[in-house]
Amino acid sequence: EVQLLESGGGLVQPGGSLRLSCAASGSTFAGYSMSWVRQAPGKGLEWVSAISGSDGSTYYADSVKGRFTISRDNSKNTLYLQMNSLRAEDTAVYYCALVAGTDFDNWGQGTLVTVSA
Amino acid sequence: QAGLTQPPSVSKGLRQTATLTCTGNSNNVGNQGAAWLQQHQGHPPKLLAYRNNNRPSGISERLSASWSGNTASLTITGLQPEDEADYYCSAWDSSLSAWVFGGGTKLTVL
Repeated sequence: EVQLLESGGGLVQPGGSLRLSCAASGSTFAGYSMSWVRQAPGKGLEWVSAISGSDGSTYYADSVKGRFTISRDNSKNTLYLQMNSLRAEDTAVYYCALVAGTDFDNWGQGTLVTVSA
Repeated sequence: QAGLTQPPSVSKGLRQTATLTCTGNSNNVGNQGAAWLQQHQGHPPKLLAYRNNNRPSGISERLSASWSGNTASLTITGLQPEDEADYYCSAWDSSLSAWVFGGGTKLTVL
């Protein structure tokens, strides 16, 4: 089973940038589609972005399109999320998840991003 | 992006049966069914059932998933205190080319 560990969260001012990382271990990473899902404090789950394991196609929620960029480095077993032009409403715990078919099969522990002045 | 519809809360007694529902449309739930996730307070979500209704290894046989039309359901029999959690459904939306989640159902075991 793949273990996922997110990092890179923290406090950032509105308009700032952060890059999140998700390191995978325990099994092969390449070939799996991967995704980022976030959860604002006290709220439900919101899908953010995904990247295909087969052809590298990327997908984004409308709320982050044009501001966030998902990428992966299979040689490092690592998934990334570059977040620019951050807003207060981007404050959330960000989870990375392994996608099996179209289901979120395996989740990391999450990393907290706080956007505040 | 429009989400899936779940009742905000369900309360049932110990050892009773709870059925949670998730309603979407023909582009998401109606097309492929929905997966189910459980989240305990302060913990990441955990997959309980794939959209084909199969359970991942290690998931209790007290849980079963199904779907018909645009509605998916998760049934939990013999409710235990550890079943008290938030439950989310998720599905790929072929029209939006995006994943959608339900708003979550808080299950309380009395």
